[in-house]
Amino acid sequence: AQTVTQSQPEMSVQEAETVTLSCTYDTSESDYYLFWYKQPPSRQMILVIRQEAYKQQNATENRFSVNFQKAAKSFSLKISDSQLGDAAMYFCAYEAGNQFYFGTGTSLTVIP
Amino acid sequence: DAGITQSPRHKVTETGTPVTLRCHQTENHRYMYWYRQDPGHGLRLIHYSYGVKDTDKGEVSDGYSVSRSKTEDFLLTLESATSSQTSVYFCAIKRQRNTEAFFGQGTRLTVV
Repeated sequence: AQTVTQSQPEMSVQEAETVTLSCTYDTSESDYYLFWYKQPPSRQMILVIRQEAYKQQNATENRFSVNFQKAAKSFSLKISDSQLGDAAMYFCAYEAGNQFYFGTGTSLTVIP
Repeated sequence: DAGITQSPRHKVTETGTPVTLRCHQTENHRYMYWYRQDPGHGLRLIHYSYGVKDTDKGEVSDGYSVSRSKTEDFLLTLESATSSQTSVYFCAIKRQRNTEAFFGQGTRLTVV
């Protein structure tokens, strides 16, 4: 079975600082994709960033970047220059074939 | 916004009654999913579809059934609702393999 683990139920960061959210996954697949989704209080799921497993280069989207360690099956999200609007639940997700698997989420608080 | 609509958005029902949730998309995406979101569990896959009349079970499929008679509609049915099925239900669509999923706004279901 595929599993995704987010070991930090809650995190906090000062506005303008940097925070890293952790995610590990377990898979026997060689071809898969990884995602981070953000869920603000509105409940809408918003894609933050994606990473193809076959790419060694870490994905970056503006202030968001990942540290993808394939051998360690680790996929962490770094948020730089944190803003109040970054406060949300963040979910790590793994996709292979037809299925998507999600972690249990990390609730991020941004302190003004 | 991806053209995906869930209905109803909120529902309260009594234990033992059947309930059907609807997911409608205007994107002609091949893959459709139903998830439930519960505190401490993240999003768990209930059922998914990879084409008209092609469906498969996810990790928490017991007590749920689905149907997809048209590309645009994916129905989730609780045959006999129980209190343990109180949750927020999300529908998601995906154009093809190895792409991100787009989510509906969610349906909050309460079984009393």
